[in-house]
Amino acid sequence: SQQGEEDPQALSIQEGENATMNCSYKTSINNLQWYRQNSGRGLVHLILIRSNEREKHSGRLRVTLDTSKKSSSLLITASRAADTASYFCATVPRGGTSYGKLTFGQGTILTVHP
Amino acid sequence: EPEVTQTPSHQVTQMGQEVILRCVPISNHLYFYWYRQILGQKVEFLVSFYNNEISEKSEIFDDQFSVERPDGSNFTLKIRSTKLEDSAMYFCASSELGQGHEQYFGPGTRLTVT
Repeated sequence: SQQGEEDPQALSIQEGENATMNCSYKTSINNLQWYRQNSGRGLVHLILIRSNEREKHSGRLRVTLDTSKKSSSLLITASRAADTASYFCATVPRGGTSYGKLTFGQGTILTVHP
Repeated sequence: EPEVTQTPSHQVTQMGQEVILRCVPISNHLYFYWYRQILGQKVEFLVSFYNNEISEKSEIFDDQFSVERPDGSNFTLKIRSTKLEDSAMYFCASSELGQGHEQYFGPGTRLTVT
């Protein structure tokens, strides 16, 4: 698999339920970021977690990072129909000359039914 | 709230033609990026730009591609001789501090090469 692979590929839930998306990656990272993309639109930054952090919260979002397993999860609590979108994890590699190049995963398509 | 803007929103061109995609990053940002997303595929990094020069580029960013910051506000991506496989959504992004910090994406330019 490639850097930044999400699962599931698609997730369908009812409003009010929680949604959990997972991301795995292969190389050492400086940080991992989650982005949202509404259909046909640009990417919106949601949250950034650094390699020395294990958990981070932002509103209804909770992100965890396990560097030993090279994986991250994004939890959206009490989902709303407006959360319907594609969600991508993206990694920034550790060291080297990276100026912040993001490597994206394939994404999870989340559908929240009213 | 400041945002990244891109023009045009949709560009149709014939194979072999030159196209210039334009972006206005957020004004106090110092790092600029271009990404592309072929329909149904991952978002892919093309190039990063800092201090008026390319800081990093991907294998995709071959001699057909070039970037420029012609003035203090615009950031352009030129494709010299378009191919069918260049058809994609092209996203510009900017970041205030580069590595380890979030990137702000524009809404994208859909390029269709016929």
